[in-house]
Amino acid sequence: QVQLQESGPGLAKPSQTLSLTCTVSGGSISNGGYYWSWIRQPAGKGLEWIGHIYTSGTTNYNPSLKSRVTISVDTSKNQFSLQLSSVTAADTAVYYCARGYSTSWRGYWFDPWGQGTLVIVSP
Amino acid sequence: DIVMTQSPDSLTVSLGERATINCKSSQNILYSSNNKNYLAWYQQKPGQPPNLLIYWASTRESGVPDRFSGSGSGTDFTLTISSLQAADVAIYYCQQYYSSPCTFGQGTKLEIK
Repeated sequence: QVQLQESGPGLAKPSQTLSLTCTVSGGSISNGGYYWSWIRQPAGKGLEWIGHIYTSGTTNYNPSLKSRVTISVDTSKNQFSLQLSSVTAADTAVYYCARGYSTSWRGYWFDPWGQGTLVIVSP
Repeated sequence: DIVMTQSPDSLTVSLGERATINCKSSQNILYSSNNKNYLAWYQQKPGQPPNLLIYWASTRESGVPDRFSGSGSGTDFTLTISSLQAADVAIYYCQQYYSSPCTFGQGTKLEIK
């Protein structure tokens, strides 16, 4: 079955750009009409959707983060990536990648998820 | 954004008893064109990512035990665990996917009495 795994630095300095990669195994990232997504969870808090890149390459971002977020895909490596610029301590969180799926154009649920990676923003 | 509010924030239930978690959306998430409620439920155990339990408000994901069930429509939804097992200790989240950005409830922590 499809599995996702996040990778990237666990530490970022304020004002810098956070960069994470999600490697997809067990299936091609190019197939199937999925929404390859990033979601984050600050320690002890709830879940916040960051954005997605669709199978076609189109992206959609949470308006609360849109000015700072870029999600891209590398189909040759079966990976998609997150860049979050101008980070502050408020961006400290566990970052998850996940596959979004639905039979409706309106929206989708997430399954499966990666294990998550903790990113701490600190000088 | 649609605000999802769960109740209670925490819940303590005896083994074998029923657990009920509520989720209320600030707007209707029933799409009249297909008569589907755009709501999912997840279970998150400590140190693990969320795991999909239910989508379309009441459709159980493959492999999820049938003691988990979802119900509700419009703005009010419920996740029920019919007979609580020790393995069900977790935080449960609802998610609406009716409109972008999708949003999650704040979570309900379920513990054993």
